[in-house]
Amino acid sequence: GAVVSQHPSWVICKSGTSVKIECRSLDFQATTMFWYRQFPKQSLMLMATSNEGSKATYEQGVEKDKFLINHASLTLSTLTVTSAHPEDSSFYICSASRDRGGNEQFFGPGTRLTVL
Amino acid sequence: GQNIDQPTEMTATEGAIVQINCTYQTSGFNGLFWYQQHAGEAPTFLSYNVLDGLEEKGRFSSFLSRSKGYSYLLLKELQMKDSASYLCAVEDSNYQLIWGAGTKLIIKP
Repeated sequence: GAVVSQHPSWVICKSGTSVKIECRSLDFQATTMFWYRQFPKQSLMLMATSNEGSKATYEQGVEKDKFLINHASLTLSTLTVTSAHPEDSSFYICSASRDRGGNEQFFGPGTRLTVL
Repeated sequence: GQNIDQPTEMTATEGAIVQINCTYQTSGFNGLFWYQQHAGEAPTFLSYNVLDGLEEKGRFSSFLSRSKGYSYLLLKELQMKDSASYLCAVEDSNYQLIWGAGTKLIIKP
């Protein structure tokens, strides 16, 4: 149990376009979902925390108008990278938690975004 | 299917040594990560192994045997602040991360 999926696994897009990444909890209800960004061999950087039905809480330095997060249901959260630029190229990882504190998080496989 | 196994919970004493094991079966292998995660915080990168052998970094060491699908994280001179969850993750042939469920390490004085 406790499986989290992400779609797509990888995406290549042109600069200026928008990309949507989905994160789904397959066999449990995720009260809270987290979006992370990871650069090679570095710690995961938390971008935002989203609770179902409410607005996401963004970490300092993360542009909420650029990284749109929607947590529409207890099993789905989406991250949209708007007007993507090459510096947005990264590995985006989501995690899901049954509780609001995120004390036990289940991680997705990640989405590799390359912006040309 | 792809699978990562690590113990759910371990207890150790302050000042001692603890070894957290991780076994994996994945579609290909491009590296193995160890992360430390304190409750409610983002995982912190500890180590990355892609070749067999032991990588030492201060009090923490990580070992990999690709032929056995096995890794361990060794923590020496345990401190109370080492109480956390330790996550093992393998990068498969598609560079996707396969995550273990994490090992909760409890340090007792």
